[in-house]
Amino acid sequence: AQSVTQLDSHVSVSEGTPVLLRCNYSSSYSPSLFWYVQHPNKGLQLLLKYTSAATLVKGINGFEAEFKKSETSFHLTKPSAHMSDAAEYFCVVSDDSGTYKYIFGTGTRLKVLA
Amino acid sequence: DGGITQSPKYLFRKEGQNVTLSCEQNLNHDAMYWYRQDPGQGLRLIYYSQIVNDFQKGDIAEGYSVSREKKESFPLTVTSAQKNPTAFYLCASTSSGSPYNEQFFGPGTRLTVL
Repeated sequence: AQSVTQLDSHVSVSEGTPVLLRCNYSSSYSPSLFWYVQHPNKGLQLLLKYTSAATLVKGINGFEAEFKKSETSFHLTKPSAHMSDAAEYFCVVSDDSGTYKYIFGTGTRLKVLA
Repeated sequence: DGGITQSPKYLFRKEGQNVTLSCEQNLNHDAMYWYRQDPGQGLRLIYYSQIVNDFQKGDIAEGYSVSREKKESFPLTVTSAQKNPTAFYLCASTSSGSPYNEQFFGPGTRLTVL
């Protein structure tokens, strides 16, 4: 069965410093992986997705993620945090066994300090 | 603009009442989903539908019902059998056919039981 683990429930960084949000996955197949962002009381917005074309994936707002099969990881990074990055972030793996279900991590709340 | 709309934004329910949450999409997507979000628990799948007139239970379907009479609409009814319905409800859609397709989310409905 597929699963995804977000290793930190809360991360705090200072504005202008790098962001690292960690995600590990478990999958029997070649996984499809996504990162979403959610601001308070809003829906989820796609940041980026891994489609097996390239291991380093660039997304919106300066975020990127690297797929590492040997480590079963898909960590999200950003070189310099902005106050507007404060939100909750979800790592997601899709079930590619034909059900079209998506498995969500429990989320990481990012706090950006001035 | 294409997208997903959910209504109402806020909904209040008295004990013993059924309420229906609306979800409409104009993205021409085949698959639609309902999720429940509680603090610290990420998103949990309630029901999903891959085609019109067909739907499947997710992980927490008890106390909920859905219908899919039209491709663009997937309403969710929270019945009186759902003992703890206070939560944030998110509707999503995706075009079927590939596990690489990302989900698009609506803005959510916050349901509160009085």
